[in-house]
Amino acid sequence: GAGVSQSPSNKVTEKGKDVELRCDPISGHTALYWYRQSLGQGLEFLIYFQGNSAPDKSGLPSDRFSAERTGGSVSTLTIQRTQQEDSAVYLCASSARDRGYNQPQHFGDGTRLSIL
Amino acid sequence: GESVGLHLPTLSVQEGDNSIINCAYSNSASDYFIWYKQESGKGPQFIIDIRSNMDKRQGQRVTVLLNKTVKHLSLQIAATQPGDSAVYFCAEGTSGSRLTFGEGTQLTVNP
Repeated sequence: GAGVSQSPSNKVTEKGKDVELRCDPISGHTALYWYRQSLGQGLEFLIYFQGNSAPDKSGLPSDRFSAERTGGSVSTLTIQRTQQEDSAVYLCASSARDRGYNQPQHFGDGTRLSIL
Repeated sequence: GESVGLHLPTLSVQEGDNSIINCAYSNSASDYFIWYKQESGKGPQFIIDIRSNMDKRQGQRVTVLLNKTVKHLSLQIAATQPGDSAVYFCAEGTSGSRLTFGEGTQLTVNP
């Protein structure tokens, strides 16, 4: 497809379980971002991948959160031992680069994660 | 710390009127600003962006104004339509880095 694709669209799981969320960025985009959005709130930055550089992990809230980006394309966000406060919409975005400047980030529709 | 905030959490306008959504930012090092529209159950949709070497940029029915002196950003929507009803977010950042988002303004367009 032409846009950022995220899966699953919804995920319900029990407290303490691990979850994996997937993001397929727009083809050719070198930058990939993960954000978290709680109900009625703005977006909270989690992690940023740019090409082959080391990712910016400064937004990850705890060591239960990790992310990988394989082959410079698909990314997986993993949350271990989920807690109820992890319930949120997890959004992925990707962007191109043009002469060193990032271009607008384009978002997927997110994964709505509910921890019971 | 760094923050981006909005003056008005809600805005209600009549169909056909112009809408203005305001945003304040505090990081004077930011050189990139962007507006997104988010409808219920969807991801943010890019509207328009502006770099710090400009003070105005126009798109289709939208204009973004940047006042670096007072660290203020605004989004103007001309001839607002019911389909414009959504939450609007401003965001700021520096080239090659992540964005810091504001809290959002709910725009409601009354027929």
